[in-house]
Amino acid sequence: IAGITQAPTSQILAAGRRMTLRCTQDMRHNAMYWYRQDLGLGLRLIHYSNTAGTTGKGEVPDGYSVSRANTDDFPLTLASAVPSQTSVYFCASSISGGASDTQYFGPGTRLTVL
Amino acid sequence: GQNIDQPTEMTATEGAIVQINCTYQTSGFNGLFWYQQHAGEAPTFLSYNVLDGLEEKGRFSSFLSRSKGYSYLLLKELQMKDSASYLCAVRDSNYQLIWGAGTKLIIKP
Repeated sequence: IAGITQAPTSQILAAGRRMTLRCTQDMRHNAMYWYRQDLGLGLRLIHYSNTAGTTGKGEVPDGYSVSRANTDDFPLTLASAVPSQTSVYFCASSISGGASDTQYFGPGTRLTVL
Repeated sequence: GQNIDQPTEMTATEGAIVQINCTYQTSGFNGLFWYQQHAGEAPTFLSYNVLDGLEEKGRFSSFLSRSKGYSYLLLKELQMKDSASYLCAVRDSNYQLIWGAGTKLIIKP
């Protein structure tokens, strides 16, 4: 693995189902992020983690949960999917979350909720 | 509220120069980033400005004026591969990135 990987690449999901999007990085970055990207809107932060064992809420956290059991993994769970959660989801990581920190993005997961 | 404004779409000719503007109103300022995103792909980092002035990096340059809440990305000697969306993002007082909707740049031969 080099960088950030996400799985699955795409998924079609029935409303009401539970879904976990996976994100793994091998850069030993402390900070990780989940964004959603919708047409005509900027990337919106869902949840973040500044270090293993801690998480925080972003701009649009409702309906989503995260965990950060170790440095490498940062899964995003939709407990009961709704059509408004149809989006492209990007995971990102950065060294520390500091001011000049560059965020590096995974390839994204395209999720459709029907 | 926090707001990042960019033009939705721009068109330019191969070999020419294009300037993509970004204006922002955020709670605090801890730097401004430009990212490139090709269709169907992840955003990739282009530049970071925290002080006023111009930062040059090859064919790409980025300018910042903090007093005006304004930045631009300048792309020179345009190539077809520069066709992409360009995202402006500002790091606010909570150290979170606030993103613009992006500018889709179309390069014509």
